[in-house]
Amino acid sequence: EVQLLESGGGLVQPGGSLRLSCAASGFTFSSYAITWVRQAPGKGLEWVSAISGSGGNTYYADSVKGRFTIARDNSKNTLYLQMNSLRAEDTAIYYCAKEMTTNNAVYFDYWGQGTLVTVSS
Amino acid sequence: QSVLTQPPSVSGAPGQRVTISCTGSSSNIGAGFDVHWYQQLPGTAPKLLIYNNINRPSGVPDRFSGSKSATSASLAISGLQAEDEADYYCQSYDNSLRHHVFGTGTKVTVL
Repeated sequence: EVQLLESGGGLVQPGGSLRLSCAASGFTFSSYAITWVRQAPGKGLEWVSAISGSGGNTYYADSVKGRFTIARDNSKNTLYLQMNSLRAEDTAIYYCAKEMTTNNAVYFDYWGQGTLVTVSS
Repeated sequence: QSVLTQPPSVSGAPGQRVTISCTGSSSNIGAGFDVHWYQQLPGTAPKLLIYNNINRPSGVPDRFSGSKSATSASLAISGLQAEDEADYYCQSYDNSLRHHVFGTGTKVTVL
């Protein structure tokens, strides 16, 4: 059974840093790209960042580029999101999701339960 | 600001059929990228409902169906049930933004 379990969320002051983790099990972790998606309170889904299975390719939304860094440790089946220079608008539930790639599409077939990040003084 | 537009809400009585539209542009749906749909029940993580425009993952009832045309896609729920009350999001890829994009989301209410 595929499982994704996020951790590391919490309350942080504006300008602070936080590192999220996503522990994966039930599939060959290194074979799949993984994505971070966030959802601000009462709002919709926003794609944040993604990383290829090998970790060699990373992608970011403009809203987080230069502040967030995605990484993975395939020996530990774990994904990370290092978040620096946090802003109030980064307040959200952060989900990790496994990517499935087909000819003309990428979709997210499994999601974690999410971890809440609150940026406030 | 999402590049995929959905109606904020749709509603229907139990047993009825409702549809949710997802309108994009020539840089995403119109460019030939497939559309996928997710269901988010209250207080839970999103769940894949439809992938590659029309396909249902194992375990998703056949009451849910998807379609795609030029620059838009639709999700239909037939035989609406109380348990279908949730938020629904479409998702695709945008060539101009060069990343995945989600729709604005639609809340389905069962009357």
